Amino acid sequence: GEDVEQSLFLSVREGDSSVINCTYTDSSSTYLYWYKQEPGAGLQLLTYIFSNMDMKQDQRLTVLLNKKDKHLSLRIADTQTGDSAIYFCAETPDYGQNFVFGPGTRLSVLP
Amino acid sequence: EPEVTQTPSHQVTQMGQEVILRCVPISNHLYFYWYRQILGQKVEFLVSFYNNEISEKSEIFDDQFSVERPDGSNFTLKIRSTKLEDSAMYFCASRVGTSEETQYFGPGTRLLVL
Repeated sequence: GEDVEQSLFLSVREGDSSVINCTYTDSSSTYLYWYKQEPGAGLQLLTYIFSNMDMKQDQRLTVLLNKKDKHLSLRIADTQTGDSAIYFCAETPDYGQNFVFGPGTRLSVLP
Repeated sequence: EPEVTQTPSHQVTQMGQEVILRCVPISNHLYFYWYRQILGQKVEFLVSFYNNEISEKSEIFDDQFSVERPDGSNFTLKIRSTKLEDSAMYFCASRVGTSEETQYFGPGTRLLVL
């Protein structure tokens, strides 16, 4: 079945860039997503990318997709303490189908 | 901005009791989903619902689970006889139905089965 993997922890200094990586196995993945979950809260959609794109930029967020390697990354520029959260990578083979989530990367931003 | 809402935010129940988790999807959305997240684990798909019927379900979604859209606004998940291992955060999500839209998640209901 489909699988999505992420490293579990990342620590960065405030003001630095964070890069969160994700790999997936489903070659038919059509949409890939990044969600943010703050402690005790729900899943907040950050951004998503369609599989025919290589890159998408949205303010401080840059998503890079390497479809050949099935690798997705999320770069957060000028990371702030408010960015501390768990970041989930998710994919779906078709917009109508369920999401497959990765285990989440816990980002800690140090002052 | 419209959002998915869920009630209650927290629920504590005794093992064997029935629980109903409620969700109000975004009003013009046509596809509805339930996911769960056991503490410290991945978010797992349970079921998707479209046009008043289940369109897909995972192996987690056994006979103890059911979903319903009782009126034009609510989408419910019922667990008939709760087990300890049902303790988790349950997320509802909805989607418009076009190819450009993604799933929008509610804040979740934290269920604790004692």
